[in-house]
Amino acid sequence: SQQGEEDPQALSIQEGENATMNCSYKTSINNLQWYRQNSGRGLVHLILIRSNEREKHSGRLRVTLDTSKKSSSLLITASRAADTASYFCATLPGGGNKLTFGTGTQLKVEL
Amino acid sequence: DAGITQSPRYKITETGRQVTLMCHQTWSHSYMFWYRQDLGHGLRLIYYSAAADITDKGEVPDGYVVSRSKTENFPLTLESATRSQTSVYFCASSESRGEVAGKTDTQYFGPGTRLTVL
Repeated sequence: SQQGEEDPQALSIQEGENATMNCSYKTSINNLQWYRQNSGRGLVHLILIRSNEREKHSGRLRVTLDTSKKSSSLLITASRAADTASYFCATLPGGGNKLTFGTGTQLKVEL
Repeated sequence: DAGITQSPRYKITETGRQVTLMCHQTWSHSYMFWYRQDLGHGLRLIYYSAAADITDKGEVPDGYVVSRSKTENFPLTLESATRSQTSVYFCASSESRGEVAGKTDTQYFGPGTRLTVL
């Protein structure tokens, strides 16, 4: 069963706009990670946020974590066509040892 | 070139045949993983390995066999392929599970193998 569920399943925006994706999970976590997958490629790690952190930045990426709501969001600012990809959240349960991936959000950034 | 590689990239086989997918990493990462990716299911863990000669089942291990005689290699074998095993298979590696002694559990993925079972 999936630990993380992304929302929306698909998102289409114009270049220059911001894109926000959400991830909800069910059990307590050690950390939450976001990955990107370009069509026909493997997943690439974007950012990791620990359970005791609330916000993290990396370039145009901003991740928030609300452990009370068991949710996280990924914000991509000033999106580019090259950001077109699927984005997955993955959670490492507290005390567990298996990273569990959600079903992903497909982002399309149009020129 | 350093990194994680998978072979073959594409494979077509028939029901009942044995198929082995190869995975090789050059980082000497302790942990290696096999996932399958199917529409509507995201990535599902098949097997993982914490070190050479140590393997454990994931979420969907039935029909698959793994081995890890060397740290850098983690082959996945479908002993008798079935149509339901048609999928894209990804291998991944990481330094650790959880953040231990400064090591991260960030996973690094290979490019995938697209397997079709007829």
